[in-house]
Amino acid sequence: QQQVKQSPQSLIVQKGGIPIINCAYENTAFDYFPWYQQFPGKGPALLIAIRPDVSEKKEGRFTISFNKSAKQFSLHIMDSQPGDSATYFCAAKVNQAGTALIFGKGTTLSVSS
Amino acid sequence: EAGVAQSPRYKIIEKRQSVAFWCNPISGHATLYWYQQILGQGPKLLIQFQNNGVVDDSQLPKDRFSAERLKGVDSTLKIQPAKLEDSAVYLCASSLNGETEAFFGQGTRLTVV
Repeated sequence: QQQVKQSPQSLIVQKGGIPIINCAYENTAFDYFPWYQQFPGKGPALLIAIRPDVSEKKEGRFTISFNKSAKQFSLHIMDSQPGDSATYFCAAKVNQAGTALIFGKGTTLSVSS
Repeated sequence: EAGVAQSPRYKIIEKRQSVAFWCNPISGHATLYWYQQILGQGPKLLIQFQNNGVVDDSQLPKDRFSAERLKGVDSTLKIQPAKLEDSAVYLCASSLNGETEAFFGQGTRLTVV
């Protein structure tokens, strides 16, 4: 029940394409859903996060769609660029002190020019 | 604002040897996390501190791993003795109070041969 399942494992798109990464969770107590971006040799960095009281959040070219009833959320990257090539992790947390992020297994995105 | 600092960046040791990692969180951050990231997987929580107290160490292999956060600032994670399966990146993260964004360091890449 503490797992976060992420798919696909890897994704290749052309520049300008819209890659979509999906995550699913079981624990209905989760109320904070961030996406992290990780480049080789670097630590994960927060990209965008959503709470379950909204169904969509946009920040620049990145959009999270959230479906509370299906317990699923996804990341869309508009107009993808080669610089977006990285590994993306979804995560979930019960947003209170004393809890920690539970991460999906990651999606390696490659954007070709 | 300085980020989360970790050292060393890389470490290669033989199995059964001991190793220690150091983390200096962002100034003022009460919550500190140690995560283990095995190649191709998402980060997995090892231990969480709130100030200098342990909040969650349920996934820490206590027969070989130990961690401390003296004075509620810096933290060290130790492995003794190391096994081949401990080869991974060890990430330190900090958060203002456990309810806000977690910031990650660059990690220490451990190779056990």
